[in-house]
Amino acid sequence: DAGVTQSPTHLIKTRGQQVTLRCSPISGHKSVSWYQQVLGQGPQFIFQYYEKEERGRGNFPDRFSARQFPNYSSELNVNALLLGDSALYLCASSFYSRQLNTEAFFGQGTRLTVV
Amino acid sequence: AQSVTQLDSHVSVSEGTPVLLRCNYSSSYSPSLFWYVQHPNKGLQLLLKYTSAATLVKGINGFEAEFKKSETSFHLTKPSAHMSDAAEYFCVVVNYGGSQGNLIFGKGTKLSVKP
Repeated sequence: DAGVTQSPTHLIKTRGQQVTLRCSPISGHKSVSWYQQVLGQGPQFIFQYYEKEERGRGNFPDRFSARQFPNYSSELNVNALLLGDSALYLCASSFYSRQLNTEAFFGQGTRLTVV
Repeated sequence: AQSVTQLDSHVSVSEGTPVLLRCNYSSSYSPSLFWYVQHPNKGLQLLLKYTSAATLVKGINGFEAEFKKSETSFHLTKPSAHMSDAAEYFCVVVNYGGSQGNLIFGKGTKLSVKP
């Protein structure tokens, strides 16, 4: 089975632009979460979607939005990009939304550079 | 509120010597704790997890961790380091707040292994 797939792997954008990142979870997984990992830091939680509904949101501005599709894939959108948005964006999939006694499987991430 | 503190940002060992990566946690309920590893330019891989079963948890690649409630610690150990263990290691606690679960990461410990 394929693992969690993210696209694109690398992206360079200019300040003020908008970006869309994509994630396909492991087959059968209904929960997708997004994390931002700034260089030298641990990942920080952005969003969780389960059964196509937002179930949780981290401490990120409204410029960040996401959605989940009927096939459980997900998109993360970031508007009005700032230099500080440069980071590795990780997608994680799991079967349950509360991750009780289950693990989250991470994709390889999308490296976003804002110039 | 849930949190984890990784006590060392960088640990350097010689190949064949023991590894100790330290993590303290804070949790208002019985925690679920994980250790993840991230090799350069790779995604996150689960090493091991504690979910209130045995306090000594064995993981992949010879790693293990001991949950000590009295010390609020979850240190990661390995008897003998291998060059391939050089990576970033993250201690993680699950946040069950609200209707969703998300992962709270420590800042990471970079493990260097000298020949």
